[in-house]
Amino acid sequence: GDSVTQMEGPVTLSEEAFLTINCTYTATGYPSLFWYVQYPGEGLQLLLKATKADDKGSNKGFEATYRKETTSFHLEKGSVQVSDSAVYFCALSGWNDMRFGAGTRLTVKP
Amino acid sequence: GAVVSQHPSRVICKSGTSVKIECRSLDFQATTMFWYRQFPKQSLMLMATSNEGSKATYEQGVEKDKFLINHASLTLSTLTVTSAHPEDSSFYICSAETSGQNEQFFGPGTRLTVL
Repeated sequence: GDSVTQMEGPVTLSEEAFLTINCTYTATGYPSLFWYVQYPGEGLQLLLKATKADDKGSNKGFEATYRKETTSFHLEKGSVQVSDSAVYFCALSGWNDMRFGAGTRLTVKP
Repeated sequence: GAVVSQHPSRVICKSGTSVKIECRSLDFQATTMFWYRQFPKQSLMLMATSNEGSKATYEQGVEKDKFLINHASLTLSTLTVTSAHPEDSSFYICSAETSGQNEQFFGPGTRLTVL
């Protein structure tokens, strides 16, 4: 079945550091790919998405490119801020359901 | 647009009681709603998929008699945890999608604590 494998955390970075959170997937067909973010005490929020190969999703300085050849959707940000501290989930969506990675907790220190 | 609400946001109940959680799509018609459960430090786990007007489809290992799901209208789905036990304490999240869209919109979640 479809699945998502996400880099395990936790990840701790200093402010303005470069962030990469790896995500790879297995799926039949051509799923859409997502990154969700969960801030402390809140529910999931959609951060960015890509619906087909080579699409690049971007939002709030984060970006991820849908790589069909490597079945990957790595999340990157060039300069993280303390306010980016949260749990990040990679997910894929087929036509019937959604599969999530385990989540990666990011802590950014001043 | 595409707002999904959940009620209540937090609930504490005694062991043996039943708890109902509502999931509403506020500005669109949700032909399909999904219920997830999040365990601490773990990813969301899909519990069941419900389509308006039909019985829910439960994931393997999820007790359908314990987690009753009703999707009576295009804007409302309910999850009832029957005879709750402390191990049912968790964060429950619903999501909704409309027909033909390959994207889900999530509710804010409900924190259930069973004493």
